[in-house]
Amino acid sequence: NAGVTQTPKFRILKIGQSMTLQCTQDMNHNYMYWYRQDPGMGLKLIYYSVGAGITDKGEVPNGYNVSRSTTEDFPLRLELAAPSQTSVYFCASSYPTQTSGKKNEQFFGPGTRLTVL
Amino acid sequence: AQRVTQPEKLLSVFKGAPVELKCNYSYSGSPELFWYVQYSRQRLQLLLRHISRESIKGFTADLNKGETSFHLKKPFAQEEDSAMYYCALSADSGNTPLVFGKGTRLSVIA
Repeated sequence: NAGVTQTPKFRILKIGQSMTLQCTQDMNHNYMYWYRQDPGMGLKLIYYSVGAGITDKGEVPNGYNVSRSTTEDFPLRLELAAPSQTSVYFCASSYPTQTSGKKNEQFFGPGTRLTVL
Repeated sequence: AQRVTQPEKLLSVFKGAPVELKCNYSYSGSPELFWYVQYSRQRLQLLLRHISRESIKGFTADLNKGETSFHLKKPFAQEEDSAMYYCALSADSGNTPLVFGKGTRLSVIA
């Protein structure tokens, strides 16, 4: 299994541009998450999804959109990039709740480093 | 609301010295606590969780509900322990999103 994969690894955007960060997992996990990691600030939840067709806002959703049309994919969309969105973005997934001993263990992708100039 | 506090941004210790990474949380229910680690150029990965009560790579962590703490300890630090460590909390027993602390960078000096 590849686990959680993210593309691209790096990206530089100009203010106002849009882009989609891709995230795919091949572990048949129901739950998927998007976090941003700012220096000295830890990880903050942007959006999460408990299954295909269901998404919920996290702590910092403004400026982002998500969709979950399949179990495997959970793309994150930036419509109008701003310098405040310069960060490292991590996608994660976790086992279904009923998986004994495994619930809440999140598996992370390698991250996408985004710079908005 | 849940909150996780890691008071130290950076912790430097000598090889062979004991290590304690502090983590305090605030949550009124029954949380599930985790330690995640991020080695240089690697992805974030689970180190240990309080319900497992196991030792991973020599690290242990005990949940102290009275002090609302979940400190990570290792009796003898190794150079390969140098990494970023995050304490995380999940509310109740569902697959609720994790709340992360700001992280502590551990540097083990040879």
